[in-house]
Amino acid sequence: NAGVTQTPKFRVLKTGQSMTLLCAQDMNHEYMYWYRQDPGMGLRLIHYSVGEGTTAKGEVPDGYNVSRLKKQNFLLGLESAAPSQTSVYFCASRRQVRSQPQHFGDGTRLSIL
Amino acid sequence: AQSVTQLDSHVSVSEGTPVLLRCNYSSSYSPSLFWYVQHPNKGLQLLLKYTSAATLVKGINGFEAEFKKSETSFHLTKPSAHMSDAAEYFCVVTDPISNFGNEKLTFGTGTRLTIIP
Repeated sequence: NAGVTQTPKFRVLKTGQSMTLLCAQDMNHEYMYWYRQDPGMGLRLIHYSVGEGTTAKGEVPDGYNVSRLKKQNFLLGLESAAPSQTSVYFCASRRQVRSQPQHFGDGTRLSIL
Repeated sequence: AQSVTQLDSHVSVSEGTPVLLRCNYSSSYSPSLFWYVQHPNKGLQLLLKYTSAATLVKGINGFEAEFKKSETSFHLTKPSAHMSDAAEYFCVVTDPISNFGNEKLTFGTGTRLTIIP
C-alpha cells in the first residue's frame, strides 16, 4: 500500500549538472503532478499529466522537462541545474473524477550548489 | 482567476484549547476547497474537503471546516488541540483549467501551528 513514492529523497547537485526525479504511484491514477515548495510560497505547479504519453506546463515550467511513458510513472528532469532550483519537490496523483483530492509523495529535497 | 489567503502565517495555542486556522478564497466558479496538513519532512495529507454538499465538513483527527459563501471563507477548527497537531496547514481551492476536466489547485502559503504544552 505504497501510494505515491518519490526517489531520491535527498540530492545535492552542482550548478550545470543534470538529474531526473522519479515518481511512481500504485493507485492507477490518471492524473499526475509535479510541484515545488519554497518557504512562504506554498506549492507551485511545475508540470502535469492527464494520461500516459501526455504532459502539460504548469505555473513554473522553465528549466524543467517531464515524461510520462508509463501510467504509473512521472519523471521530472533538470537538464542544467541552477541554484534557483533548490527546493523541495513533490509529486501527486489523483483519479480522473472532478474534485477528487490529490495524493502526495513525501518529497525530494534538492540542493543546487 | 482564483486565489487563497491564509490570514495567519503562524498560530500558537496551548494543548487542550481550541484551534482556528483562517482561510479566505476567491473563485470565478463554484469551487472545491481542501485543507491539507504537512508534518515535518513529509508530504501533504488530506484533512478534509468541501465539494458543494454540506457546508460543515468533518475531517480526520477531529478537525472540521465550515464553507461560508457570503464571507468567502473556509476556516479550519478543532475543539481541543493535541501535541500531534503541530504541523503546517494548507488551504487549497480548485478551478477547472482544461477541457479534460482537470482542475488547477491554488495553494495558500500555509499556517504553521505550534502547540504549547
